[in-house]
Amino acid sequence: DAGVIQSPRHEVTEMGQEVTLRCKPISGHDYLFWYRQTMMRGLELLIYFNNNVPIDDSGMPEDRFSAKMPNASFSTLKIQPSEPRDSAVYFCASSSPMNTGELFFGEGSRLTVL
Amino acid sequence: GNSVTQMEGPVTLSEEAFLTINCTYTATGYPSLFWYVQYPGEGLQLLLKATKADDKGSNKGFEATYRKETTSFHLEKGSVQVSDSAVYFCALSEKNNAGKSTFGDGTTLTVKP
Repeated sequence: DAGVIQSPRHEVTEMGQEVTLRCKPISGHDYLFWYRQTMMRGLELLIYFNNNVPIDDSGMPEDRFSAKMPNASFSTLKIQPSEPRDSAVYFCASSSPMNTGELFFGEGSRLTVL
Repeated sequence: GNSVTQMEGPVTLSEEAFLTINCTYTATGYPSLFWYVQYPGEGLQLLLKATKADDKGSNKGFEATYRKETTSFHLEKGSVQVSDSAVYFCALSEKNNAGKSTFGDGTTLTVKP
């Protein structure tokens, strides 16, 4: 079975541009999480969904960030407009209640905002 | 709320040395406990887990025992290899909130030949 798939793996953009990160969770997993990882702040949970519904978005840094999950196999994280401080690795993860809470992570999307 | 406290790093060891990375937790219920490993340039992946008190998780020579009395889940390996160099995260997940995990800050391990 394919793991969690994220795209793009690397994105370099200029300040003010819109960035869209994409995630395909493992089939059958009904939880999806977006994390951000930086050297300064470590691993931060931004938002998570259950059955395509956002459950907790308290980690989303500000209104420039938005996330959607239009169906069970696809989610996006959008930053508009982007700023240099958004530079980080963004991870998507999915899980199923059958896995006792284990998270399955994608390879991450490394974002650099110039 | 829940919290996970990990031994601060970085940790540098010589090959074949003994490894311990301490992890303690605070939780309202009886969570499942995990160790994840992150190799350079990759996402986190599960290393081992334990779902109830006194359970021992093990994988690739690593072990950790769920100690309810000390609220700990320390990671150990008897003889580390250069290929074990990575960042290690301790985490917990409440059983009634599948998947929403609380992570420690991560401990960077470097093993020198």
